[in-house]
Amino acid sequence: GQSLEQPSEVTAVEGAIVQINCTYQTSGFYGLSWYQQHDGGAPTFLSYNGLDGLEETGRFSSFLSRSDSYGYLLLQELQMKDSASYFCAAGRTDSSYKLIFGSGTRLLVRP
Amino acid sequence: NAGVTQTPKFRVLKTGQSMTLLCAQDMNHEYMYWYRQDPGMGLRLIHYSVGEGTTAKGEVPDGYNVSRLKKQNFLLGLESAAPSQTSVYFCASSPLGTEWLLEAGANVLTFGAGSRLTVL
Repeated sequence: GQSLEQPSEVTAVEGAIVQINCTYQTSGFYGLSWYQQHDGGAPTFLSYNGLDGLEETGRFSSFLSRSDSYGYLLLQELQMKDSASYFCAAGRTDSSYKLIFGSGTRLLVRP
Repeated sequence: NAGVTQTPKFRVLKTGQSMTLLCAQDMNHEYMYWYRQDPGMGLRLIHYSVGEGTTAKGEVPDGYNVSRLKKQNFLLGLESAAPSQTSVYFCASSPLGTEWLLEAGANVLTFGAGSRLTVL
C-alpha cells in the first residue's frame, strides 16, 4: 500500500517559523514534493527533495530523510499570505512517474 | 501563456446524467492527470496519461473514463453521475517522463484552476 501522513491543521503567528511534517509509506519512492493551495485555488509547486537533506528556496525549505521515510516543509518569517493548505506528495517509480498526495495541512497565520 | 485550462468551471448534474470535463494544456507536456479533491482527503489520482493515445488507472478510477486523442487534451468522462462524484476536479500536466525526470529531479505538476461538480 501507500500512504502519506501529515497534520490536518497548524496555527502560527506572523513572523514566526513553522514546520509541517510528512511521513510516507510508498513503494518505489523516488522523491518528495510540496505543493501550496490557497482556498479556491489550484495547487502550486513549492519544493522537491530527491536526495536526503535540506533544500532551501527563499523563505521555504524542505527536508527529506529516506531512512526515516520522513520529510518536512519549513516556512520562515511567516506572512499572512502564507495561510493556505500544504500538501506533501510522494513520487513513485512504477510503470510511470505518478505523484500521490497527502491529505494536506491547513496553515493559519495569525497577526 | 494559458498553461492548463479546464472547462467547465462549475456544473450541476442530476444522478444518472453524463458529462465530460475537458482539460487543455499548451506547454507540450507529455504527462496529464485527473485528480479529485474532497474535504479532508487531499488530492486523489483518478486516471492519468503518459502520452497521446495512452491512458492508465490511478487510485480511484471507478465511474470515470478518460481519453487522450490529442497530446494537448485530456478528457474525463462520467457516464452515469452519482452523488459520490460530487467533488472538485483538477487536471494537471507535467513534462516528459523518465529521462527528463532523472535529469531534472522533480516531476513538477502544473494544475488547472479546477472544475466544481455537484451531482444531485
